[in-house]
Amino acid sequence: DSGVTQTPKHLITATGQRVTLRCSPRSGDLSVYWYQQSLDQGLQFLIHYYNGEERAKGNILERFSAQQFPDLHSELNLSSLELGDSALYFCASSYNQGARNTGELFFGEGSRLTVL
Amino acid sequence: GNSVTQMEGPVTLSEEAFLTINCTYTATGYPSLFWYVQYPGEGLQLLLKATKADDKGSNKGFEATYRKETTSFHLEKGSVQVSDSAVYFCAQGGQKVTFGTGTKLQVIP
Repeated sequence: DSGVTQTPKHLITATGQRVTLRCSPRSGDLSVYWYQQSLDQGLQFLIHYYNGEERAKGNILERFSAQQFPDLHSELNLSSLELGDSALYFCASSYNQGARNTGELFFGEGSRLTVL
Repeated sequence: GNSVTQMEGPVTLSEEAFLTINCTYTATGYPSLFWYVQYPGEGLQLLLKATKADDKGSNKGFEATYRKETTSFHLEKGSVQVSDSAVYFCAQGGQKVTFGTGTKLQVIP
């Protein structure tokens, strides 16, 4: 058990819909990262938050947004869903010393999104 | 930008065979380097890491050495077991923590 909790574990929805994925980081971790894992594109970095502020952005679509709340949990919002958004979405957390991240991440078990 | 390239899989080996999974990186500066492992149905777990040139990370019989001159961090294990079957990801540290595409390892008895 990594200490990172993601909900829901599985989600099936239709095209055009909107979903919210939730992540609770390990106790004491200030950073939250979101990754998308699909069969054909591997593990793609989406976004990184540190103590409530956005720190880095990857190839995150405009239809996707995220935030980190004062209690440090994070939500990833996916809207106007398309078939190609079907994937595993992972959240990871770490304790950053200052603003520099060493890359040692603790991953949740992922949320599997299926868009029909 | 930063990137990580690792050998494509799948890699199929017999039990007790020697394993090498190649990984190279491009980055400005000298990032920390990592190998993560993903077992079926689970999230990624840190396997080993190295934070500076010539460091050797090791865990569970796996080793990788941070080679600055070849910008590589190849994963090795002298004798694989069936329980090592998983997907292995090379990664480099930074604000974006960049991962390779993963290499699936299947070890057969």
